[in-house]
Amino acid sequence: DGGITQSPKYLFRKEGQNVTLSCEQNLNHDAMYWYRQDPGQGLRLIYYSQIVNDFQKGDIAEGYSVSREKKESFPLTVTSAQKNPTAFYLCASSGTGAISPLHFGNGTRLTVT
Amino acid sequence: SQQGEEDPQALSIQEGENATMNCSYKTSINNLQWYRQNSGRGLVHLILIRSNEREKHSGRLRVTLDTSKKSSSLLITASRAADTASYFCATALANQAGTALIFGKGTTLSVSS
Repeated sequence: DGGITQSPKYLFRKEGQNVTLSCEQNLNHDAMYWYRQDPGQGLRLIYYSQIVNDFQKGDIAEGYSVSREKKESFPLTVTSAQKNPTAFYLCASSGTGAISPLHFGNGTRLTVT
Repeated sequence: SQQGEEDPQALSIQEGENATMNCSYKTSINNLQWYRQNSGRGLVHLILIRSNEREKHSGRLRVTLDTSKKSSSLLITASRAADTASYFCATALANQAGTALIFGKGTTLSVSS
């Protein structure tokens, strides 16, 4: 089955530690995205990548980093510089073009204490 | 930047009734998309309407777009308990190829049997 896999589903970390969230897709999509969702809120864009080895900052990129070394993979690192990292993180992919809908993974819930 | 705003924030109806959600946005768009999110899951694409379209149907869903008012509505007819979810509108900005979708904060729909 084609889709997007995010792992793990739940992640717990101590404050001050970096943590990497995994996102893999087998849809052969060129574009991939990371969004953050806080309770009762919409999605806010962290980073996106239209092609391998290239990515752009979204609205809330501070404290996050990404890499896009392979078409299938777009890992997100939440660094210790992110002031409020506890949130639900969603990865998505799409074909290129403005009319391509997004396909989402089922998210990773990160709790930092 | 929050482009879309859904209204109402929450909606409670009985099975069989229709549900209408509205979305307003600020700048010119290429297209507008509606997504559904079940609690704790990723988003699922429902329907896309292009800026030169006024109405679109898909099963029990009807979407309208009024670019002069910068607004869209999603109508779910004959609702079912399984329609209980959050619904988000997302916009693709005009003349900005290669940018990501911008999501609103969503409408939480509760359908009781």
